[in-house]
Amino acid sequence: DTEVTQTPKHLVMGMTNKKSLKCEQHMGHRAMYWYKQKAKKPPELMFVYSYEKLSINESVPSRFSPECPNSSLLNLHLHALQPEDSALYLCASSQTSGWGGTDTQYFGPGTRLTVL
Amino acid sequence: GQNIDQPTEMTATEGAIVQINCTYQTSGFNGLFWYQQHAGEAPTFLSYNVLDGLEEKGRFSSFLSRSKGYSYLLLKELQMKDSASYLCAVRDSNYQLIWGAGTKLIIKP
Repeated sequence: DTEVTQTPKHLVMGMTNKKSLKCEQHMGHRAMYWYKQKAKKPPELMFVYSYEKLSINESVPSRFSPECPNSSLLNLHLHALQPEDSALYLCASSQTSGWGGTDTQYFGPGTRLTVL
Repeated sequence: GQNIDQPTEMTATEGAIVQINCTYQTSGFNGLFWYQQHAGEAPTFLSYNVLDGLEEKGRFSSFLSRSKGYSYLLLKELQMKDSASYLCAVRDSNYQLIWGAGTKLIIKP
């Protein structure tokens, strides 16, 4: 089973709203990732959690706030977003974030976010 | 800098064979991945190469030459459902994935 689930599937929010994206995996993976993807572009790495600790923050604005409550869950809290933040937000997981065989990243279906 | 090049778009005929090339220049190399992504959906893992040579998986095969910084994805017996974007990604010395821009493959009947 290589399933990563994400909720919600679609989200529309105003610039003053606060919302959260959720991601879950039950594969025993210890690395989880948030990516942002604009149309016709490759995924752009935002954050990496390794063993529930934030290991990489790719200079993401503070209006995006990640949280890893346990090894299966990853949240992305959104506040005061801009219209240019509208994109597909993808969660992924892998066995580890370093050397460990293929360490293939498996992606969830994504949340399509629209900021008005 | 780090760079991955793929053709932007390719067109092929149903039932035929197509080869999608990927060349890369990265700081270090710890494996190359191919993903398929249908429009509006998440990338799905297709193949992984870390040693030179060909890896075959059903209708899909992937080849790697580390000395040339080159890989290709070969799709045989093309089906309409193979219309998608194909993303090449290289894991660099920091074990981070560097992504190509993707190749949009259009299959015609």
